[in-house]
Amino acid sequence: QLQLQESGPGLVKPSETLSLTCTVSGASISGSTDYWGWIRQPPGKGLEWIGSIYYSGSTYYNPSLKSRVTISVDTSKNQFSVKLSSVTAADTAVYYCARHPPPSGYGDYWGQGTLVTVSS
Amino acid sequence: EMVMTQSPATLSVSPGEGATLSCRASQSVGSNLAWYQQRPGQAPRLLIHDASTRATGIPARFSGSGSGTEFTLTISSLQSEDFAIYYCQQYNTWPRTFGQGTRLEIK
Repeated sequence: QLQLQESGPGLVKPSETLSLTCTVSGASISGSTDYWGWIRQPPGKGLEWIGSIYYSGSTYYNPSLKSRVTISVDTSKNQFSVKLSSVTAADTAVYYCARHPPPSGYGDYWGQGTLVTVSS
Repeated sequence: EMVMTQSPATLSVSPGEGATLSCRASQSVGSNLAWYQQRPGQAPRLLIHDASTRATGIPARFSGSGSGTEFTLTISSLQSEDFAIYYCQQYNTWPRTFGQGTRLEIK
């Protein structure tokens, strides 16, 4: 059974960089043809797609965040990560990781999500 | 960017009745549309992909239809666990975009 688990600091200071990791179990990132993505949800609001990465390293980012976001993959640890720089209070959200089976972009498996609060 | 618009924002329905939720795309997305259910405190759960294909383990009371710019999620005979927020998402173009959600509440 495929499982995804987000991890990282729950509190980040304004102007700093938010860093989260998604650990995948039950499947090998390098052995699949899937995309792996990050989605966020501010408290009480809707879903925003952040970006996705292929095991080879190819990435697609939301243009609204592209200048601040980097998604990377570590196949040796079966993990993928997101970094969001220069955060503000508007980046406070629950961050989810998800799998996208090719060639689509829908998420069929999701992590439980992790709340990241940006505050001094 | 593709804009997805869901209606209504809130739908009040009695248990046992049916519900119809709508999603409109600002441009054609073909059949590249998914529906998700989100219960409080939980991650979104995939219900429908490719506009009308139920995801694994999803009950038959959930059905999706439409193509191009107009899509519908129909839930027949609502159960207590179906009262939640529903989101549509297009995956025809990057960036992937979601609708703002429809809250399905108990009448």
